[in-house]
Amino acid sequence: DTGVSQNPRHKITKRGQNVTFRCDPISEHNRLYWYRQTLGQGPEFLTYFQNEAQLEKSRLLSDRFSAERPKGSFSTLEIQRTEQGDSAMYLCASSLGGTRRSYNEQFFGPGTRLTVL
Amino acid sequence: GENVEQHPSTLSVQEGDSAVIKCTYSDSASNYFPWYKQELGKRPQLIIDIRSNVGEKKDQRIAVTLNKTAKHFSLHITETQPEDSAVYFCAASKVWSGGSNYKLTFGKGTLLTVNP
Repeated sequence: DTGVSQNPRHKITKRGQNVTFRCDPISEHNRLYWYRQTLGQGPEFLTYFQNEAQLEKSRLLSDRFSAERPKGSFSTLEIQRTEQGDSAMYLCASSLGGTRRSYNEQFFGPGTRLTVL
Repeated sequence: GENVEQHPSTLSVQEGDSAVIKCTYSDSASNYFPWYKQELGKRPQLIIDIRSNVGEKKDQRIAVTLNKTAKHFSLHITETQPEDSAVYFCAASKVWSGGSNYKLTFGKGTLLTVNP
């Protein structure tokens, strides 16, 4: 499978615990995005990487959230001291980058569903 | 920041009828407008997109129209089939410009049900 992959697919945790999610983008894609989707809503932008540089963070991304993309390949999203309001689907997407229209299409992964009890 | 409004939130049509979903955006600098289809429990998948220098684009039964002046764009699905049933999201982004930020701002989605 050459698409975007995410692990784990499901995570149940207790309030106050830390969780970490992983995203593996399509191999030649230099841009990587994290979105959060709650029930009945569209995905909301969290943060964006070009190669290993984190270029933008949403106001939604509180200090408890941190994302990394070492070596410009896979990315991790960590949530510290989880709260019930963090329960959502966390989606990762990647794109090739560049000036051609087709390079900007964002391909989504299957998501990690987080449930905070 | 950008704000995207999408209507209707739910749409039910008979098989073979047409379906239209409308979106408005607030940031006149947005220049890329993709539409994603998300089936239950699955990832969003791009079905069609349009750039701001084009007014209309078609791909078989799917078409998208863009009115830059009014800042709205629409998805048209003709000859609907039961497998078209899904949630459809519109989005807006700024790409190919000095102020590119590439992030997608999504509408809240439209649940389309095609009844056989």
